[in-house]
Parts: sequence; C-alpha cells; structure tokens
Amino acid sequence: AQSVTQLDSQVPVFEEAPVELRCNYSSSVSVYLFWYVQYPNQGLQLLLKYLSGSTLVKGINGFEAEFNKSQTSFHLRKPSVHISDTAEYFCAVILSYNTDKLIFGTGTRLQVFP
Amino acid sequence: DAGVTQSPTHLIKTRGQQVTLRCSPISGHKSVSWYQQVLGQGPQFIFQYYEKEERGRGNFPDRFSARQFPNYSSELNVNALLLGDSALYLCASSGLNTEAFFGQGTRLTVV
Repeated sequence: AQSVTQLDSQVPVFEEAPVELRCNYSSSVSVYLFWYVQYPNQGLQLLLKYLSGSTLVKGINGFEAEFNKSQTSFHLRKPSVHISDTAEYFCAVILSYNTDKLIFGTGTRLQVFP
Repeated sequence: DAGVTQSPTHLIKTRGQQVTLRCSPISGHKSVSWYQQVLGQGPQFIFQYYEKEERGRGNFPDRFSARQFPNYSSELNVNALLLGDSALYLCASSGLNTEAFFGQGTRLTVV
C-alpha cells in the first residue's frame, strides 16, 4: 500500500534560520509529489509540486524541495524562515496511474519564533 | 477569478442527524474531490467526481455519499452523524493537470 511519512510532527525554529521538513513515501509505482501549507482555520495552499524533470523544485514563498528517488524522499527546505511561515505543512503524493486522489502525510507543524 | 467556494463555513449538528455540504469548483474545472481532515491529522480522501460520475471512493462507510451537478458543483451528504464525523471537510477542484485547488473547508461539529 502507498503511504506518506512525515517524520517530524513539530519543528520549532528561530526567525531567519534555515529549516528542513522531511517527507518519505512508499510506493511500488511512480508518483507525483506535492507540498501543501495550511494556515489556521484555512484550506490547503499548494507550495510546490514534482511531476517530472529536474529533481530540485522551487515553489512559492522561497520554499524548495528535492526529489530523491533512491531514498523515496521529498524534503522541503527554506534557507531563511519568517514568522509568517508558521503553519502546518503537508506532504502528499498522487499515484501516476491513478490521479483521482491525493494521499497525505500527517503533517508537520512549523513554529517560527522571533 | 473566484477560487473553490464551500458552504457553510461552520455548522453544528446532533448525533443521528443528516448534513449536506456544498462546493463550487473553479470555473472550467470539471473534477471535484472531497476530503475529511480530523484534528491533528492529514486530509483523507472521500470521493472524486468527474463529469458528474464517481471516479474514486475512499475507505468511508455508506453513510457518506456525494453527487456532482451539470454545472460541476458538488454536494457531500453524511447520514446518521456520529461524534467521530466531527472534522474539517475540504473540497478540491482540478482541471486538466494534476494540481488540486482547495476551498477553505466546512468545519462540522457533531454533538
């Protein structure tokens, strides 16, 4: 069965420090990969996606992620975080042969302190 | 352009009641999906509809049903509500590519 694992439930970090949010997936078929952000009491907003091509993907708000097929990982990074980045971050996959549904991880709470 | 709109934003229901949640997709999008997000967890897939036909269903009981209308809007119905149905219900629409755009969600509280 396919699954997505977000290894850290919470990540505290000081403002202007770098951050990495980890995501690993398990699938016997090729997948498309996504990172979404959820601010309090809001829906999900797409940060970035990997469909094919370059394994380093740049998204909105200065975030980027790197697809590593051998390690089945898609970690999210930002070189310098802001207070406004405080939110819940979700990694998700779509199976390449079944684009009907997103499979989400359990989320990582990023808390940025001044 | 308007994004995905969901109504109502919040509602409170009693155990055993029925509820209908509504979703209007982005103009031009023919696919609508529904997700349930329980507090502290990631969203779980419930249904996907494309061109008014069910394309996929998650691991949810038959108390959950949905439909899509000719204008591509959608309704999610939940019968015989349980306390465990309390969650944020998210609707997403997508066009020709694989990117899903989410609405703000409907917060359902069952008491």
